[in-house]
Amino acid sequence: NAGVTQTPKFQVLKTGQSMTLQCAQDMNHNSMYWYRQDPGMGLRLIYYSASEGTTDKGEVPNGYNVSRLNKREFSLRLESAAPSQTSVYFCASRGLAGVTSSYNEQFFGPGTRLTVL
Amino acid sequence: AQTVTQSQPEMSVQEAETVTLSCTYDTSENNYYLFWYKQPPSRQMILVIRQEAYKQQNATENRFSVNFQKAAKSFSLKISDSQLGDTAMYFCALTAKGTYKYIFGTGTRLKVLA
Repeated sequence: NAGVTQTPKFQVLKTGQSMTLQCAQDMNHNSMYWYRQDPGMGLRLIYYSASEGTTDKGEVPNGYNVSRLNKREFSLRLESAAPSQTSVYFCASRGLAGVTSSYNEQFFGPGTRLTVL
Repeated sequence: AQTVTQSQPEMSVQEAETVTLSCTYDTSENNYYLFWYKQPPSRQMILVIRQEAYKQQNATENRFSVNFQKAAKSFSLKISDSQLGDTAMYFCALTAKGTYKYIFGTGTRLKVLA
């Protein structure tokens, strides 16, 4: 099992450009998440998807959109990138409590380092 | 609102010594889960240890153990016999049972010195 995979690993954009970060998991998990990590601020939730077909805003959703394409895939789109979106982005997934993970553990992808010039 | 606070931005410890990382939290929920994640320079987030709030017994995983004080809302991580490979950022996290959101602390950067 590959676990949670993310593409790309690194990306440089110019202000105003758009891009989509891809995430996939092969653990048959129901919930998927997108976080951003900035120095001194820990991980902040951008969007999450509790199950296939649903998405909800997290703490910092402005400037982002998401798509839960199917149970495996959850993408994050930046429509018009801004320098404030320079960050490391993590995708995570979680199974059903009591079924695949009774402790509600999240599994993380390797991250995408995004720089917006 | 739930919060997680890690008041030690950086710490260092000599190899083979013991170090304790602090984490305090606030939640109005009675049933929740607490986690410590490790993030080495590779950037990968790795679960170190987890604790269910209704369990009074402190969790242990090899050299890692926690001191869970529910009344004080404290969840510290003790690393015994520190190794160079323990050098990493450590994040404390909280989620309430039946919810989907996780709250992370700002992290503690631990350096193990040879």
